[in-house]
Amino acid sequence: QQQVKQSPQSLIVQKGGISIINCAYENTAFDYFPWYQQFPGKGPALLIAIRPDVSEKKEGRFTISFNKSAKQFSLHIMDSQPGDSATYFCAASRSGYSTLTFGKGTMLLVSP
Amino acid sequence: KAGVTQTPRYLIKTRGQQVTLSCSPISGHRSVSWYQQTPGQGLQFLFEYFSETQRNKGNFPGRFSGRQFSNSRSEMNVSTLELGDSALYLCASSTGQQVAGYTFGSGTRLTVV
Repeated sequence: QQQVKQSPQSLIVQKGGISIINCAYENTAFDYFPWYQQFPGKGPALLIAIRPDVSEKKEGRFTISFNKSAKQFSLHIMDSQPGDSATYFCAASRSGYSTLTFGKGTMLLVSP
Repeated sequence: KAGVTQTPRYLIKTRGQQVTLSCSPISGHRSVSWYQQTPGQGLQFLFEYFSETQRNKGNFPGRFSGRQFSNSRSEMNVSTLELGDSALYLCASSTGQQVAGYTFGSGTRLTVV
């Protein structure tokens, strides 16, 4: 049972455009939702995270939007740059558990 | 501050063999978690160790095992390797209080032939 569903699998965006990646979760006990960025040959690195008490969080060009009633959250990358080309993973966790449930990832390519 | 160190970076093993992977966490981190990453299944949780005790376990067969030492370094072992065990094995360390402080290593790429 896949508890966190991520879409799309791959995404091509022009430089300067907006990249949008969506995730949906099933377990209402989840209360921490991070996004990770992974470059080839590297491990995932935390990009930005949100808790369900807020509907949006912004850090620089990266924004998480969170819809608790729909059990969905999304990552928006504004003014996408070629250096943003990487694989992005959404994840979810619940209080008291130090484990993450990941989506299957989105491979983003930002064309120059 | 040194990051999470995983060794070796690459391994090639034959079916039926066993393998041991090592993870040195960030200094002061007492929790080490292991994940398997494959193109088909993505990142899947294997197990977590905290203060030398296994605290959480994912849905993997008993061929996958691990341990943690008093200095928080961790090893995972896979016995009787199968072709499907080919994957990138990642470890992540944290203080153990929450996943917000997770830091991943660069992983060990295991290829089973």
